[in-house]
Amino acid sequence: GQQLNQSPQSMFIQEGEDVSMNCTSSSIFNTWLWYKQDPGEGPVLLIALYKAGELTSNGRLTAQFGITRKDSFLNISASIPSDVGIYFCAGPKNRDDKIIFGKGTRLHILP
Amino acid sequence: EPEVTQTPSHQVTQMGQEVILRCVPISNHLYFYWYRQILGQKVEFLVSFYNNEISEKSEIFDDQFSVERPDGSNFTLKIRSTKLEDSAMYFCASSVGGTANQPQHFGDGTRLSIL
Repeated sequence: GQQLNQSPQSMFIQEGEDVSMNCTSSSIFNTWLWYKQDPGEGPVLLIALYKAGELTSNGRLTAQFGITRKDSFLNISASIPSDVGIYFCAGPKNRDDKIIFGKGTRLHILP
Repeated sequence: EPEVTQTPSHQVTQMGQEVILRCVPISNHLYFYWYRQILGQKVEFLVSFYNNEISEKSEIFDDQFSVERPDGSNFTLKIRSTKLEDSAMYFCASSVGGTANQPQHFGDGTRLSIL
């Protein structure tokens, strides 16, 4: 079935550094979603991308929908402690409602 | 900002017992979903529900699972005879529309522990 592969699996960075993570698929996605999950909470939608090539920002976060429609990346600029968490890419399978999640990138910020 | 609420936050149940997880979706949303997340793993789709019926379900959602919208506000997930491997976080989500252009909003989940 369709799978989303996220890399890196985890990251350890210094506060203030920029972060880049990506998500790839062997098949085309028509929508890319980026969620963040804090411990003990549900995923929170960060950015939704609907068109190939689209570049969208949400504060310090920027995400792009790859031209091939098989990948997406998420950048975080000037990281702060509250950026710690797990970042999931997700997308619907074809045109129906089912959302497939990647395994996540766990972000750690060193003091 | 409106949010999806789930109760209880933690449910501990003996294996073989029935459990009902409850969700109150965002009030103007029409599409409802359940997902599960086994500890340390990714979020997995279980079922979607629209217009009082299941629109899609995954292979995880077998005959032991059922969903119901008993009134105008609640959306429930029932597991009839729980197994140890049902231990997980269960997330409810809702969206205005059912297409990919209407992102799903998640609740904070119910942690289900099967003893």
